[in-house]
Amino acid sequence: NAGVMQNPRHLVRRRGQEARLRCSPMKGHSHVYWYRQLPEEGLKFMVYLQKENIIDESGMPKERFSAEFPKEGPSILRIQQVVRGDSAAYFCASSPPTRGQDTQYFGPGTRLTVL
Amino acid sequence: GNSVTQMEGPVTLSEEAFLTINCTYTATGYPSLFWYVQYPGEGLQLLLKATKADDKGSNKGFEATYRKETTSFHLEKGSVQVSDSAVYFCALSPNSGYSTLTFGKGTMLLVSP
Repeated sequence: NAGVMQNPRHLVRRRGQEARLRCSPMKGHSHVYWYRQLPEEGLKFMVYLQKENIIDESGMPKERFSAEFPKEGPSILRIQQVVRGDSAAYFCASSPPTRGQDTQYFGPGTRLTVL
Repeated sequence: GNSVTQMEGPVTLSEEAFLTINCTYTATGYPSLFWYVQYPGEGLQLLLKATKADDKGSNKGFEATYRKETTSFHLEKGSVQVSDSAVYFCALSPNSGYSTLTFGKGTMLLVSP
């Protein structure tokens, strides 16, 4: 029973490039959350998605960031025109569709470095 | 809004010492409370949780009790091991239909032999 999978584990981009981060939730989970962890900080919520729907994106920066969770395939967090301040660890978590189930299971994260 | 405050680290202990990491929260309603642990270079693992007042979560010798009167969820362990060295995060979920987590900043624990 595979856990939450994220790839790549490490990603290096130059300023102005695009970063694509992928997350495959646990089997049977249809809820996906993205969090960002800046150095020496806790995790900050970015976006919550269900299949083909963005439910809450209140933590997403208004520009350059977007997320999707298509009917088939992994969830994608996309960062366009990256800047040095985007360097962080990005974690994906998933939870099952059961009402009242509030435990999230985290992936190993993608560590993005912007040069 | 919701918030979680943890004691600042690092917490440095000798093996077999008693551990307490303080956590207090601010939230409306009746949130669920969690402790997650992050080992170096890895993602977060759920350590324990409690969903209502006076509940005690426990796992691997760690315990935390949901205290609504003091809005606290302190993490304790009677005898730490070197392998417990990690960063510990306290978090809450508002139980308002879906479960976006609000995290504290994390407390690093260093255990020496």
